[in-house]
Parts: sequence; structure tokens; C-alpha cells
Amino acid sequence: GENVEQHPSTLSVQEGDSAVIKCTYSDSASNYFPWYKQELGKRPQLIIDIRSNVGEKKDQRIAVTLNKTAKHFSLHITETQPEDSAVYFCAASGGFGNEKLTFGTGTRLTIIP
Amino acid sequence: KAGVTQTPRYLIKTRGQQVTLSCSPISGHRSVSWYQQTPGQGLQFLFEYFSETQRNKGNFPGRFSGRQFSNSRSEMNVSTLELGDSALYLCASSLPADEQFFGPGTRLTVL
Repeated sequence: GENVEQHPSTLSVQEGDSAVIKCTYSDSASNYFPWYKQELGKRPQLIIDIRSNVGEKKDQRIAVTLNKTAKHFSLHITETQPEDSAVYFCAASGGFGNEKLTFGTGTRLTIIP
Repeated sequence: KAGVTQTPRYLIKTRGQQVTLSCSPISGHRSVSWYQQTPGQGLQFLFEYFSETQRNKGNFPGRFSGRQFSNSRSEMNVSTLELGDSALYLCASSLPADEQFFGPGTRLTVL
């Protein structure tokens, strides 16, 4: 089955700097890669996602890149703000008919004011 | 549009008991997935239902089961509870091959 590895497990950055979280996946059939943000005591919320027919996607300060050949994808947050502090999870799934999400182990991001 | 709802939000049980958790998806969503979240194991997939059929199942023992009703509402059941079943149980609903929206979760504590 699919295996998703995520690094780093913790990340501290100065406010205003950029943060990068990296994930690798094992199943070449996976074609959907969402990123979720989970604040303490709250549910995971999708912040950005990418499908395998796209190499990069951006939404304001957040971007995701996908390298299908190397089977890795990354989350980039620019101009970080204190409200970006949370746990971030990457995930992979096979899309229609196989929508099971396999999650990475999470990255605790702390923004230092 | 109302979000995914889960009941109950908190539950305390003792070892050996059984428990049923409920999930109401977003209106129009026919796919419902369940996940277990623990500090040690992270977010792990339990099962996925679509139009009352289980399409995928994760690596959990047979004590974990679920079902989906014709109105897309879903329930999961855990029998013969063990201490290690203490976790946050999350359900998520989606349109086919689309974003999964998570509910607030049910926090189960097994004593």
C-alpha cells in the first residue's frame, strides 16, 4: 500500500520568513495530494491540493510543488505569520474510486514573532 | 451549507464495551471516510463508504466496522474496546474525487 513520509517533524521560523515542508510517496498510482492544517483542538482543514497532471499550484502565500518522477511534493509558505502556527499534514490518494487518504506524520510549525 | 457533523463529541467507555459513532456528511456528498488520530500513530484510514458500499478498508482489526445509510449518514462501531482504541475519530465527506471535508471528531477515551 501507499506510504507517505514527511519531514521535518518540527519547524520553527521567524515571522516573515519562509517555511518548507517535504513529503515523499511510494505508490506511483497516487494522483491527488492535499495538504491539511490542523490547529490545536480543531479539525484538519484543507489549505491547498495538487493533482498529478500539474507541477505547481499557488494560492496567495501558499504553494505546492509536485515531482512525479521523484515521487515527492512540497509545501511552501512565504511571509509567515503567527496564525500559520499549526500542525501540517500531507496526504496522497488514488483519486476516484480509491479516495483513501494516506497521511504523512505531520509537521509542527511554530512561527516566532 | 452545513458542514460535516459528528456525534457524540466526547465519549468515555471502559474496556470490553462497545461504541457507535455517527457522522452526517455535507448535503450532496455520498462519500464518507473515517480516520483514527492518535499522538503515536497519527492519522490512519479506517474505511470509506460510497452509496452504502464499503469501497476501501484500512489495516484495523475486525472489531472496527462501519456502515452507510441511504441518506449518506454513516456510523462506525468498535466492539470489545481496548485501551489503545482511545483516539480522536474523524469522519470526512466529499464529492467524487474531490476535497475531503472533515468533521470535528469524536474523542473516545477508554478506561
